[in-house]
Amino acid sequence: GQQVMQIPQYQHVQEGEDFTTYCNSSTTLSNIQWYKQRPGGHPVFLIQLVKSGEVKKQKRLTFQFGEAKKNSSLHITATQTTDVGTYFCAVYNQGGKLIFGQGTELSVKP
Amino acid sequence: DAMVIQNPRYQVTQFGKPVTLSCSQTLNHNVMYWYQQKSSQAPKLLFHYYDKDFNNEADTPDNFQSRRPNTSFCFLDIRSPGLGDTAMYLCATGAFFGQGTRLTVV
Repeated sequence: GQQVMQIPQYQHVQEGEDFTTYCNSSTTLSNIQWYKQRPGGHPVFLIQLVKSGEVKKQKRLTFQFGEAKKNSSLHITATQTTDVGTYFCAVYNQGGKLIFGQGTELSVKP
Repeated sequence: DAMVIQNPRYQVTQFGKPVTLSCSQTLNHNVMYWYQQKSSQAPKLLFHYYDKDFNNEADTPDNFQSRRPNTSFCFLDIRSPGLGDTAMYLCATGAFFGQGTRLTVV
């Protein structure tokens, strides 16, 4: 079935440093979603990418979808303590099921 | 206003004692999902509904059952909870998740 591999598993940064998490698939994806889950919270939808090479921005967050639609990244510029949490990519497989990557847990040291 | 509502937020149950978790959605979406999320892990899909068409993942334990009496409501029944079923249970419709039910089996 459809799977995505997400790296790194953990990332510890100093406040103000940048952060990037990557998702890779062996097969072409129709779309990819990104979620943020705060400690103790539930996944919150951030964005969906659909088009090859697509780049979308939300304030300090930049989302990219690869040209081959096999990889995606989320980049946060100048991290803040409010960015702490786990970031997941997720894809819909052919059966319409939303399958999550392993997640990247971000910690930010003030 | 919350669009996916899960009750209860926290549930403690005894080993082997049946428990039911509930979920409701105000979005009128055909799709609903139940996920299990253990500590420091990604959500793992248990059940998937498209309207009343029901699909459980191959590795969802038989101990877990689900019901969807109408578009708005969905239930997760755990017939005989084990200690390993302690987890957060998340309900979702499309991209929207409920706040989850944190289940502890003692």
